[in-house]
Amino acid sequence: DAGVIQSPRHEVTEMGQEVTLRCKPISGHNSLFWYRQTMMRGLELLIYFNNNVPIDDSGMPEDRFSAKMPNASFSTLKIQPSEPRDSAVYFCASSSGQPGKLPQHFGDGTRLSIL
Amino acid sequence: GESVGLHLPTLSVQEGDNSIINCAYSNSASDYFIWYKQESGKGPQFIIDIRSNMDKRQGQRVTVLLNKTVKHLSLQIAATQPGDSAVYFCAENGSPGNQFYFGTGTSLTVIP
Repeated sequence: DAGVIQSPRHEVTEMGQEVTLRCKPISGHNSLFWYRQTMMRGLELLIYFNNNVPIDDSGMPEDRFSAKMPNASFSTLKIQPSEPRDSAVYFCASSSGQPGKLPQHFGDGTRLSIL
Repeated sequence: GESVGLHLPTLSVQEGDNSIINCAYSNSASDYFIWYKQESGKGPQFIIDIRSNMDKRQGQRVTVLLNKTVKHLSLQIAATQPGDSAVYFCAENGSPGNQFYFGTGTSLTVIP
């Protein structure tokens, strides 16, 4: 079975550039989550969607970050303009049922480096 | 926000020994808990879960114990193998929002 698919796996770009991270959740899952992982702050929830609708975006650092879920099989996380402090591993996860009631399944992440 | 902490940030065990990884959670309203394993370069992988109406659940070589009185969760790995070397996270669902809150992680190293 296909798991959560993220692309690209690695991204290196210069500060000021736009970065777009992509996620394909597991088919049939109705909740999608974007996380950021750093050594200093661990795993942080940025935003999550339920049935393609953003439910909680309180973890989004600032207006430079935006996320969309145009349909049940695709989501993007965009950073514009990017800054060096955005360097981290970004994970996408999906789950079925009500959020918090069943396990989330994670992709293998996008390692983002902003120079 | 929620606070999920681990007592031991690092743990080294001999191959074949049993491992115990501990986690303290903060929200007494949490009713669902998960242990994840994260290997280098990969995303967190589901290991085992437990709901608050249970105090013990067993899987293959793994057991999760839940003590709601002291808000403590533990993961026991029997006959630890080199492939068990990874970072282990606990997560609670907390409230509000029914999102998951993750601990800081414990790094387990298995010595051959």
